[in-house]
Amino acid sequence: DSGVTQTPKHLITATGQRVTLRCSPRSGDLSVYWYQQSLDQGLQFLIQYYNGEERAKGNILERFSAQQFPDLHSELNLSSLELGDSALYFCASSPTPRGTDTQYFGPGTRLTVL
Amino acid sequence: AQRVTQPEKLLSVFKGAPVELKCNYSYSGSPELFWYVQYSRQRLQLLLRHISRESIKGFTADLNKGETSFHLKKPFAQEEDSAMYYCALSETSGSRLTFGEGTQLTVNP
Repeated sequence: DSGVTQTPKHLITATGQRVTLRCSPRSGDLSVYWYQQSLDQGLQFLIQYYNGEERAKGNILERFSAQQFPDLHSELNLSSLELGDSALYFCASSPTPRGTDTQYFGPGTRLTVL
Repeated sequence: AQRVTQPEKLLSVFKGAPVELKCNYSYSGSPELFWYVQYSRQRLQLLLRHISRESIKGFTADLNKGETSFHLKKPFAQEEDSAMYYCALSETSGSRLTFGEGTQLTVNP
């Protein structure tokens, strides 16, 4: 077990709604990453936080936002949801933000937008 | 911009046969390369990384900078190797992972 936890496991909601996905990193890891896995886009990097600060941004929509709290857990907020937002959202963590660090992934949250 | 290409979406082999999953990358600097595996309905797990040069579950991968490739190989495939395999790249200075499209490996009995 990698130690990264994500809640909830599944989320079903309607278009236009807002949801929050939660991630707790492995003990001691300061860096958190969010990825989106969809059938048409594959696995895509969304955003990275390191010790509470935004570190890097990828293909994250303006409707999406994230933050990392003092206890190092992170939340990904998705608003004005569209059908195309349905995907598996993974969180990963690593000790530092260096590219040489291995990223450890959580089990993912499966979001279904109806 | 960096890019990772896995040319085979699906790969099917018989148990005991050699298997090679291809990965090519484009990146102007010195990349860090990884192979992640995702077994059915499970999380992504690191299989191996080029920097450690170790063999995990019989799999090896060699970084070929001239051909910009990082192919994953196993001499004798097992049924439990059936899974989705992702090749990924990160910059040395940063750490976002750029993933390939993935290859679904099926090992038939």
